[in-house]
Amino acid sequence: DADVTQTPRNRITKTGKRIMLECSQTKGHDRMYWYRQDPGLGLRLIYYSFDVKDINKGEISDGYSVSRQAQAKFSLSLESAIPNQTALYFCATSHQDSPGGPQHFGDGTRLSIL
Amino acid sequence: AQSVTQLGSHVSVSEGALVLLRCNYSSSVPPYLFWYVQYPNQGLQLLLKYTTGATLVKGINGFEAEFKKSETSFHLTKPSAHMSDAAEYFCAVSGGNQGGKLIFGQGTELSVKP
Repeated sequence: DADVTQTPRNRITKTGKRIMLECSQTKGHDRMYWYRQDPGLGLRLIYYSFDVKDINKGEISDGYSVSRQAQAKFSLSLESAIPNQTALYFCATSHQDSPGGPQHFGDGTRLSIL
Repeated sequence: AQSVTQLGSHVSVSEGALVLLRCNYSSSVPPYLFWYVQYPNQGLQLLLKYTTGATLVKGINGFEAEFKKSETSFHLTKPSAHMSDAAEYFCAVSGGNQGGKLIFGQGTELSVKP
């Protein structure tokens, strides 16, 4: 089984819908991250969390929210999806004893908003 | 502030030829530097990392990279390309103990010709 699991792997939805992407990990890491990947732009950080009670905005948090339900679970929500949020989304984890990284990634969620 | 620039969005080499993927960074603090590889429909996998110490770091699959502070570079090399090396490669920087947030370059797609 994968150490970092993202669900769903693929999702097609319509503009204005609320979407939730889920991430769970079995690595026992305390730090979790959400990124989006767009062609030619690499990965950009949306939100990150260093423990259950800690939530921080990344560089592109507008239009997104997150919830850290437990140490192992970190979900990303799009409150009202818009087409320019079509992208590949990645969850990642890291250990507090490796503060500079590296990070361990899930296989991604491909989200298409029509 | 930190940033990463990868020179060349697409690189094509022949099987058996040298692979050179270029990465330059800027950082206001001593950087931690990473190379990740992404195969189709998969998440990112760590190839190698530089934190402190030896500036030439070796990674998986025969890749290595050299940290050159004077040139603010962290180029990735492999002496002899294999067909299985075809993938997208990302350079990333973090600010060491600044919480593990990664700043990614835009990625370089490597093609390997028979």
